[in-house]
Amino acid sequence: DAKTTQPPSMDCAEGRAANLPCNHSTISGNEYVYWYRQIHSQGPQYIIHGLKNNETNEMASLIITEDRKSSTLILPHATLRDTAVYYCIVRGGKATSYGKLTFGQGTILTVHP
Amino acid sequence: ETGVTQTPRHLVMGMTNKKSLKCEQHLGHNAMYWYKQSAKKPLELMFVYSLEERVENNSVPSRFSPECPNSSHLFLHLHTLQPEDSALYLCASSQVVLQNVGEKLFFGSGTQLSVL
Repeated sequence: DAKTTQPPSMDCAEGRAANLPCNHSTISGNEYVYWYRQIHSQGPQYIIHGLKNNETNEMASLIITEDRKSSTLILPHATLRDTAVYYCIVRGGKATSYGKLTFGQGTILTVHP
Repeated sequence: ETGVTQTPRHLVMGMTNKKSLKCEQHLGHNAMYWYKQSAKKPLELMFVYSLEERVENNSVPSRFSPECPNSSHLFLHLHTLQPEDSALYLCASSQVVLQNVGEKLFFGSGTQLSVL
């Protein structure tokens, strides 16, 4: 699976959009981009995933560049409860790889009042 | 509430004790996982069970022994652990559909284990 690079930390004001970048320059054609987050003392929570098209759900939007070498997770109106570690994960398309997610250090997002 | 329940939430044990961690998923998933999260280290995959068969063992020491009696329950049996095994142990489940890699993992809240 391709390696990802994320900034170690970011700040965001409450009510503003939080844009979390991720670099995955070695991504291959059948690899998906996943985003999870982990709030302190809890297990990781799935946010969104995509292959090459932009995706949106009730939690966030995922913007993937045309060359697929980077992506941005957007939380449109950040709240204090969005303070967490956000993980960008690239995972291959092997049918038998099951849930083998490789978590890095992630980005610590702090939302300020 | 993620649909994955882990007990106990906290556990303190001595190096000579035997204990078990329990995980139950209420999502009808066909795969379950144990992950380990040590302080200031990324999550590490330990074991994977699919349809109650172990399909992955990431070089985990034998003092950790998983058991999956059915598709809804997963145990991690612990014996003669070391202090460096102190960590957050997370259980997860997913619905694996062959040829579809867009699966989502649902995690429990974890068991915070301290080995004295």
